[in-house]
Amino acid sequence: NAGVTQTPKFQVLKTGQSMTLQCAQDMNHNSMYWYRQDPGMGLRLIYYSASEGTTDKGEVPNGYNVSRLNKREFSLRLESAAPSQTSVYFCASRELLPANTGELFFGEGSRLTVL
Amino acid sequence: GENVEQHPSTLSVQEGDSAVIKCTYSDSASNYFPWYKQELGKGPQLIIDIRSNVGEKKDQRIAVTLNKTAKHFSLHITETQPEDSAVYFCAASDSGGSNYKLTFGKGTLLTVNP
Repeated sequence: NAGVTQTPKFQVLKTGQSMTLQCAQDMNHNSMYWYRQDPGMGLRLIYYSASEGTTDKGEVPNGYNVSRLNKREFSLRLESAAPSQTSVYFCASRELLPANTGELFFGEGSRLTVL
Repeated sequence: GENVEQHPSTLSVQEGDSAVIKCTYSDSASNYFPWYKQELGKGPQLIIDIRSNVGEKKDQRIAVTLNKTAKHFSLHITETQPEDSAVYFCAASDSGGSNYKLTFGKGTLLTVNP
């Protein structure tokens, strides 16, 4: 049972470099999400995809782009990395159930450092 | 959008004691309130959730209570064990047009001392 798989697990970038975080889920979920976790800030939503073919901004979308490649895959791209984007990034997926319920399944995280 | 406040940010208890974590939310239309546990180096995992038509829910040593009037909900862990040590997050669903999202609190680091 792979669940939600994120790559890479660790990455160090220099300011201005670009990179893409990959995420894939094998649970046939419709909705996928990218969160960032910073000390004392909890989990903040960057972008989400309610279903294949749609993406929407979350709470902190600036500096990021996303692509819902297909139902399984949802990637997060940093076009020009900044030190403020140093964080741990989590991908998550869920099957949205009535009344906005449905368990979020998280990947193990990608730790990104921007120098 | 929804705003979720969580307290305390850190909590230390002795093994066998109870632990209580409290959250408040701002959107009276929110109707789903899950709790997630995050162990070191891992992603968060759902441990219990409650819907707005229920006041309390229990699952073995953990329970969640919801007070819709006051817009707050709490996680109760009884007979704590060292393996309960982790970061706990509360969350609330967004309503209206953004009803695919969950808004998380900032988290509580629970330490259970043997």
